[in-house]
Amino acid sequence: DAGVIQSPRHEVTEMGQEVTLRCKPISGHDYLFWYRQTMMRGLELLIYFNNNVPIDDSGMPEDRFSAKMPNASFSTLKIQPSEPRDSAVYFCASSFRQVPGNTIYFGEGSWLTVV
Amino acid sequence: KQEVTQIPAALSVPEGENLVLNCSFTDSAIYNLQWFRQDPGKGLTSLLLIQSSQREQTSGRLNASLDKSSGRSTLYIAASQPGDSATYLCAVRRGAGGTSYGKLTFGQGTILTVHP
Repeated sequence: DAGVIQSPRHEVTEMGQEVTLRCKPISGHDYLFWYRQTMMRGLELLIYFNNNVPIDDSGMPEDRFSAKMPNASFSTLKIQPSEPRDSAVYFCASSFRQVPGNTIYFGEGSWLTVV
Repeated sequence: KQEVTQIPAALSVPEGENLVLNCSFTDSAIYNLQWFRQDPGKGLTSLLLIQSSQREQTSGRLNASLDKSSGRSTLYIAASQPGDSATYLCAVRRGAGGTSYGKLTFGQGTILTVHP
């Protein structure tokens, strides 16, 4: 299995621009998570989906952030407009509830820098 | 609100030493607890997962224990090697259904350095 695939791996953008991060979960997984990691706040859950439906988006910092999961194999996290404080590593992760233990698998992350 | 704390924040040991990393959580209503490793510039790799009904899990030189009632877990690394140098994170997953079922709450991590 290819694992959780994220793109882009690195992005540098100017303040005010739209940023779209993409994720392909592991095939067959029914949960998808978006996390953000910063030095100050560590790993924070932004939103997660179950069977393509958003379940908990309480971690989404503000209306500039939105996430979609149009099908079981693709999700996007969009920031519009971006701000320097959005600079962070954004991780996508997936898991399969029916497997005992529900180990969660992370992608390599998208490293975002907003200047 | 679940809070996860890891102690120590950083640890430096000589190669060959046995070591223990600590994780504590405030809400004992967990579904499972997972230990991850993160190398610089990389994502997280799952090391061990302990179900709430289990007391420990072992994988090679790693042993993780869970005391749910006291809200504690430890990760024991035997005969440490320079290749073990990384950040180790623990995360708890809430149980009891509801919208919090899938949510993982992470600690801040322990930065481990094993020097030759």
